[in-house]
Amino acid sequence: AQKVTQAQTEISVVEKEDVTLDCVYETRDTTYYLFWYKQPPSGELVFLIRRNSFDEQNEISGRYSWNFQKSTSSFNFTITASQVVDSAVYFCALSEEERGTGNQFYFGTGTSLTVIP
Amino acid sequence: KAGVTQTPRYLIKTRGQQVTLSCSPISGHRSVSWYQQTPGQGLQFLFEYFSETQRNKGNFPGRFSGRQFSNSRSEMNVSTLELGDSALYLCASSLGRGMAGQYFGPGTRLTVT
Repeated sequence: AQKVTQAQTEISVVEKEDVTLDCVYETRDTTYYLFWYKQPPSGELVFLIRRNSFDEQNEISGRYSWNFQKSTSSFNFTITASQVVDSAVYFCALSEEERGTGNQFYFGTGTSLTVIP
Repeated sequence: KAGVTQTPRYLIKTRGQQVTLSCSPISGHRSVSWYQQTPGQGLQFLFEYFSETQRNKGNFPGRFSGRQFSNSRSEMNVSTLELGDSALYLCASSLGRGMAGQYFGPGTRLTVT
């Protein structure tokens, strides 16, 4: 079973529309971390946010916001008023502790976002 | 501050050979992590080094190994290359352990023929 599921493979929106990227995770740990990364066409991964399991407060950073809900094991990412520069593949990731091998990191398969001008 | 640098950027090797990739973290960062990205398997965590010790390890065969030097620079080695090892290998650095706000390098594109 996938530890991190990003059900949306590809999304296209018109510039200035809002878009939400879904992320559902699976873990039995009580302490874990969730992340979002952006990978633009240039290929370099860019860290966007890190969230620990004890902090369910939603976060807003400019046009970006994140909705963390433990009850549904989801960590969704919303871009408000999308811009062409937001076009990229976005990855959600989970970090949890595993006995013997330390922290393990699991990435979703990514959501490719295209913002059409 | 200079970002994470990886060398070489592109590499072509033959099946059965071995390869060493290098990663220089951001100055002051002590944690270096390695990841493999392929179209089929996506992004997968290889291992993390902190203060010259491997702290975390993903689910990869023993052909994949790494090390970290006292200056935090890290190398990753893949022995007995297989066609399936063709991938983008990404390195990331952070101040502390465990993926805490990581900064990624541009990657090394390895092609195994």
